[in-house]
Amino acid sequence: DQQVKQNSPSLSVQEGRISILNCDYTNSMFDYFLWYKKYPAEGPTFLISISSIKDKNEDGRFTVFLNKSAKHLSLHIVPSQPGDSAVYFCAASGTNAGKSTFGDGTTLTVKP
Amino acid sequence: KAGVTQTPRYLIKTRGQQVTLSCSPISGHRSVSWYQQTPGQGLQFLFEYFSETQRNKGNFPGRFSGRQFSNSRSEMNVSTLELGDSALYLCASSSSGGPTDTQYFGPGTRLTVL
Repeated sequence: DQQVKQNSPSLSVQEGRISILNCDYTNSMFDYFLWYKKYPAEGPTFLISISSIKDKNEDGRFTVFLNKSAKHLSLHIVPSQPGDSAVYFCAASGTNAGKSTFGDGTTLTVKP
Repeated sequence: KAGVTQTPRYLIKTRGQQVTLSCSPISGHRSVSWYQQTPGQGLQFLFEYFSETQRNKGNFPGRFSGRQFSNSRSEMNVSTLELGDSALYLCASSSSGGPTDTQYFGPGTRLTVL
């Protein structure tokens, strides 16, 4: 039973446009959500997070939206840049961030 | 501050052997988690250690074990290797593993089982 799902394995967008990556979860005990970016041959790096008490969090070009009733979150990247091309993982945790549940990842390709 | 380091970076073993992977967390971090990533898959949680104690465990067989030392360094051991154990093993550290702590990942150890 996969508790965190990223239904789009890949996404391709033009440079300068918006990238929207989606994530769904099933466990209502999750109360903290994170996005990580991963380049080949490197470990994931933290990008942005959101607590369940919020519905939006912004950090520069990156915004994460949380819809608790739908158990859905999304990551918006505006404007997208070629350097954003990477695998993006959605993750969720409950009381312990040391035990996070990850989605399978979405490969984002930003074309110049 | 130095990041999370993992050794070795690459490892080739044969079925039936055992392997030990090492992780050195960021200085001052006391929580260390291990994840397995197989091709096309997300990160599967193996276990988490905090202050030398296993605090959480994922759904992996008993062949997968770990430990943490007093300096927070952690090792992970896999015994009786199977072909399906071929994966990227990632270690992550955080200050306390608290609900909003950020996990910092190492580059991973790529294990190939032949």
